[in-house]
Amino acid sequence: GEDVEQSLFLSVREGDSSVINCTYTDSSSTYLYWYKQEPGAGLQLLTYIFSNMDMKQDQRLTVLLNKKDKHLSLRIADTQTGDSAIYFCAGTGGGNKLTFGTGTQLKVEL
Amino acid sequence: DTEVTQTPKHLVMGMTNKKSLKCEQHMGHRAMYWYKQKAKKPPELMFVYSYEKLSINESVPSRFSPECPNSSLLNLHLHALQPEDSALYLCASSQIQGEGQPQHFGDGTRLSIL
Repeated sequence: GEDVEQSLFLSVREGDSSVINCTYTDSSSTYLYWYKQEPGAGLQLLTYIFSNMDMKQDQRLTVLLNKKDKHLSLRIADTQTGDSAIYFCAGTGGGNKLTFGTGTQLKVEL
Repeated sequence: DTEVTQTPKHLVMGMTNKKSLKCEQHMGHRAMYWYKQKAKKPPELMFVYSYEKLSINESVPSRFSPECPNSSLLNLHLHALQPEDSALYLCASSQIQGEGQPQHFGDGTRLSIL
């Protein structure tokens, strides 16, 4: 099965940019996703990128994909306290089975 | 607000009880999913239904029994659970089952087994 790794923790100051990284072992995923999970809540789909793209921008969110290095990142511009949450990257295998990364806890400090 | 609704939000049950978790979506999605999430861990897939038929069972113990009575509803029947089954149970749906079909999640049911 696929392994998807993320750093466990990231702390940034309000207004700064956040970059959350994800590395994966299986390059067969056609789509790669970013989800946000706030305490006590489910997963919120933030954005996703098709594997033949290098970059996708959606308002404050920028996704970068480096297929050669099997590296995916999510940049959040002008990070706000409401962005504090756990962020999961995920890839899809057969049957739309999502394989999630280990999750990155983002803490935004004033 | 999530478009996938799960009830109840919290459930405490003994190991001999029988209970059910419910999930409902009205987005016209034809694929629905059950995930289990332990604290500080990513979700793990349990079951996938496609057009009301069970498509994937990730070797889940038989004490968990899924049911899809119609295209909008997904149930998870629980019986004789163990303390290690305590977790957040998440339901998700997508337009159809296939790559490129984003999954939309409910807020989950937090289950505690005494």
